[in-house]
Amino acid sequence: DGGITQSPKYLFRKEGQNVTLSCEQNLNHDAMYWYRQDPGQGLRLIYYSQIVNDFQKGDIAEGYSVSREKKESFPLTVTSAQKNPTAFYLCASSSRDSSYEQYFGPGTRLTVT
Amino acid sequence: SQKIEQNSEALNIQEGKTATLTCNYTNYSPAYLQWYRQDPGRGPVFLLLIRENEKEKRKERLKVTFDTTLKQSLFHITASQPADSATYLCAPPHGSARQLTFGSGTQLTVLP
Repeated sequence: DGGITQSPKYLFRKEGQNVTLSCEQNLNHDAMYWYRQDPGQGLRLIYYSQIVNDFQKGDIAEGYSVSREKKESFPLTVTSAQKNPTAFYLCASSSRDSSYEQYFGPGTRLTVT
Repeated sequence: SQKIEQNSEALNIQEGKTATLTCNYTNYSPAYLQWYRQDPGRGPVFLLLIRENEKEKRKERLKVTFDTTLKQSLFHITASQPADSATYLCAPPHGSARQLTFGSGTQLTVLP
């Protein structure tokens, strides 16, 4: 079964703690993306990566960090510097050979109290 | 800066009617535009892509138009069904990596 997996589905953390969200894909896609979605709002791009060992900041990268050591994996760390970390986080991937259609994971809902 | 606007946050229509959703963009000229469907608590799912040289694209009961002069895309669902109830997002690309900019979406409810 090809696709993108994100874990966990729900995550609770105390304020001041860093937390890492997992994203794995077996679609052999080069590009991967992280988005944040707040209630009633669209998706906002946090970071993206077009190739292994390379990534770029999106529109709202402050307080987040990523790594891309393997093609299949693109973990996102929400640091204590992120002022409003509670949100729905979505990971996506796309192939540079196609129309850049993005395939999304099921999302992780992070709650920080 | 680039901006995407989708008409009205919510749209209610009667089953069997045609739903029309609007996406307007400003300050850039995308080579194509994508439409996604998102159900509550889930990730978006790709529906259709339309390129700037295509006036119209169809897939089953879905139809998308792209007017580069008006800077607008229209998304139609004909013979709508309650199962079509979801939020629909338009997403033109920007940047060298063709990263997508998503509109805030239109929440469609099809009433039985």
